[in-house]
Amino acid sequence: SQQGEEDPQALSIQEGENATMNCSYKTSINNLQWYRQNSGRGLVHLILIRSNEREKHSGRLRVTLDTSKKSSSLLITASRAADTASYFCAINLPHTGANSKLTFGKGITLSVRP
Amino acid sequence: DTGVSQDPRHKITKRGQNVTFRCDPISEHNRLYWYRQTLGQGPEFLTYFQNEAQLEKSRLLSDRFSAERPKGSFSTLEIQRTEQGDSAMYLCASSLREQGYEQYFGPGTRLTVT
Repeated sequence: SQQGEEDPQALSIQEGENATMNCSYKTSINNLQWYRQNSGRGLVHLILIRSNEREKHSGRLRVTLDTSKKSSSLLITASRAADTASYFCAINLPHTGANSKLTFGKGITLSVRP
Repeated sequence: DTGVSQDPRHKITKRGQNVTFRCDPISEHNRLYWYRQTLGQGPEFLTYFQNEAQLEKSRLLSDRFSAERPKGSFSTLEIQRTEQGDSAMYLCASSLREQGYEQYFGPGTRLTVT
């Protein structure tokens, strides 16, 4: 399978702590994206990191990419109860032409306790 | 709210019936995607449109499934002779080629086949 695989499957932390989620994949990528999904809702794009980038920040989010290890991590700092959601990594393969379809992992369930 | 809307939000149907879902993307977006998500899994790619042209279909899309985007704006996904295995969340996403690979997802249509 070419899909990203997230680790851990579930994570429970206290509000204010940092949350680190990992994603591994098996093939070359064009870019890797992280999405959040609240229960029963659609997905919200969080951040995109290209294959030639190593780190990106967006607010309390920090994403790293190691193409040699075919892995990425998402760090949420100073977590809040509102961060409780499922988080997915999605990879975009190279050589897909105009089609930028995404291949998703199974997701990580993050629970932030107040 | 990402600006992508889907209708209906929920659909309960009996096995063997036909169902049709609608997706309205962000108005200037020329790319439109359909994904399917089952419980505990990440979204799986079904099909993709560039304007009105359907450019790729997943092997997951059996001949009971058909999608259209007649004027390059809204899209419909029809499932004929529904089966219990079709029960899932059907997600629509859109993007603008010139803005890169970020996809904007709608809230999804949850289909339950009884």
